[in-house]
Amino acid sequence: ETGVTQTPRHLVMGMTNKKSLKCEQHLGHNAMYWYKQSAKKPLELMFVYNFKEQTENNSVPSRFSPECPNSSHLFLHLHTLQPEDSALYLCASSQGKGRGGYYNSPLHFGNGTRLTVT
Amino acid sequence: TQLLEQSPQFLSIQEGENLTVYCNSSSVFSSLQWYRQEPGEGPVLLVTVVTGGEVKKLKRLTFQFGDARKDSSLHITAAQPGDTGLYLCAGGVGSSNTGKLIFGQGTTLQVKP
Repeated sequence: ETGVTQTPRHLVMGMTNKKSLKCEQHLGHNAMYWYKQSAKKPLELMFVYNFKEQTENNSVPSRFSPECPNSSHLFLHLHTLQPEDSALYLCASSQGKGRGGYYNSPLHFGNGTRLTVT
Repeated sequence: TQLLEQSPQFLSIQEGENLTVYCNSSSVFSSLQWYRQEPGEGPVLLVTVVTGGEVKKLKRLTFQFGDARKDSSLHITAAQPGDTGLYLCAGGVGSSNTGKLIFGQGTTLQVKP
């Protein structure tokens, strides 16, 4: 069982809908991430939060709005999406900044939310 | 723009064969991680290499980081059907406090019994 839980596992939404993805980690980590995984493309980093503060926004369109109320929870609010936003959205956590840097700390991924925009 | 290119993109082999997956870039990375992802699940870390020339072994898997820290390889000996999955390499970029990892596009491995 993964220490990072994502809900829902599958989501189908229309272009005018508003929905939210939820991620919760039980590992005591301080950094949380949203990644987008599309077929035959590299994993794309979307957002990074460290100790609840956003440290990275990788030029993500404003129709994606992240929220990190505490170090254990991360949300991705979705509105007015486009069909090309259909993808697997992965949440991850790691020890984060201040614990020897990021790079020796592995990312722990959830199992993702498969999003389909119709 | 820093890119990581993995090759091959797809590999289908018989159980018992050996294989090597490559991860190459023109950029220097502070570290290199390898992940495996199975259908319906998120990627799971296999190994992190941080020193140029470093070699790490995980049972039948051997990971190597290039001397110049621009490339890495994953060698699997006597592949098993349980090795089937998507293999991803990821490189740390920038300072150690930015949290940015660049991923390769992945190598899909299918091991047939």
